[in-house]
Amino acid sequence: DAKTTQPNSMESNEEEPVHLPCNHSTISGTDYIHWYRQLPSQGPEYVIHGLTSNVNNRMASLAIAEDRKSSTLILHRATLRDAAVYYCILLSGNTPLVFGKGTRLSVIA
Amino acid sequence: DAGVTQSPTHLIKTRGQQVTLRCSPKSGHDTVSWYQQALGQGPQFIFQYYEEEERQRGNFPDRFSGHQFPNYSSELNVNALLLGDSALYLCASSPSPGTGTGYTFGSGTRLTVV
Repeated sequence: DAKTTQPNSMESNEEEPVHLPCNHSTISGTDYIHWYRQLPSQGPEYVIHGLTSNVNNRMASLAIAEDRKSSTLILHRATLRDAAVYYCILLSGNTPLVFGKGTRLSVIA
Repeated sequence: DAGVTQSPTHLIKTRGQQVTLRCSPKSGHDTVSWYQQALGQGPQFIFQYYEEEERQRGNFPDRFSGHQFPNYSSELNVNALLLGDSALYLCASSPSPGTGTGYTFGSGTRLTVV
């Protein structure tokens, strides 16, 4: 039931910025855009979320298109510890988190 | 600040047996959700508990049941275990539903059914 589309995998060089795209063309007005990541052998970890405006926190930035049909998670300087599966998820009201397949990010030293 | 705590971390059971997994939510969170994650797959939603009641349920059979206690901790029970139930079981806690805020996940319980 995932309502988002992400590339299966991406690769980045260490210390370079990474832009992880997500398409959500059927997003509704009450849907928040959430990003989680899952490092190997760990549970998913909350990264960032937003509704309409771009958001920044200590981990990443979230850029949301004006029509809200797509968003981009930005890691400003990728490190080896950022290698993980990144999930883009729409969440609203009482709906639970529904995970898709996510994007597997590889970081090359 | 303790996050989500799950126990045990690993478990081996025999087909047909029953298992109980436990979860303590993050302080200040009153909602608990359970997920099953098979190897190489994304987590699949099992159910969510709030105010000691099951509020939402994913596409899982009745063999999967749960409980939430007054202190917000939760249990996941699986009866008549099948080999296909082998997976990582994740617990996530969050503030009251509908707040749009982030979930906190535990590290999971790795269940192996032999």
